[in-house]
Amino acid sequence: EPEVTQTPSHQVTQMGQEVILRCVPISNHLYFYWYRQILGQKVEFLVSFYNNEISEKSEIFDDQFSVERPDGSNFTLKIRSTKLEDSAMYFCATTGTGVTGELFFGEGSRLTVL
Amino acid sequence: AQSVTQLGSHVSVSEGALVLLRCNYSSSVPPYLFWYVQYPNQGLQLLLKYTTGATLVKGINGFEAEFKKSETSFHLTKPSAHMSDAAEYFCAVSVNTGGFKTIFGAGTRLFVKA
Repeated sequence: EPEVTQTPSHQVTQMGQEVILRCVPISNHLYFYWYRQILGQKVEFLVSFYNNEISEKSEIFDDQFSVERPDGSNFTLKIRSTKLEDSAMYFCATTGTGVTGELFFGEGSRLTVL
Repeated sequence: AQSVTQLGSHVSVSEGALVLLRCNYSSSVPPYLFWYVQYPNQGLQLLLKYTTGATLVKGINGFEAEFKKSETSFHLTKPSAHMSDAAEYFCAVSVNTGGFKTIFGAGTRLFVKA
């Protein structure tokens, strides 16, 4: 069964360092998303991406964050200068060509900022 | 704008007992409604969804939910809890804004006692 894959599964970084989280979406899906879940808290929307551009972003998604699809397969989330409060599980999700909005999630990338 | 409220951050039931997880939503346009389940250290997976049509929807693992427009509710039920049902459950609402934006509730952790 097709699935969304994310790398790395866990990354530890120092405050102020750049981090890139990678996602390989399901091949025929068109809409891509990043969500964040701080430990024990709710799943928060960060950004949606369609047709090679951001379609919507939340207030969390400030200038420190960026997304791109550099090679037509990987979908990346970059955090330019990490802060302690960026420590969270980051989930990539995709939606297919259907009209129901059902999300297919990756297993997540746990980011720990020290 | 849409929002989701899950009543009860923790619910505890005995094995074999009824499971009832409550969800209320608000949306300015007809929403699509979802329940996702998250097992420890895993991503979210879809339990069931309501898009249009029959208001009682059945999902995986014996779960079902009923869309009640007049009450703006989408409560999740299962007649008989199993130990393997212990997990975090998220209610979500999605609207088509040219792409889909999905907003999650805060989650309800289900404990199942032997």
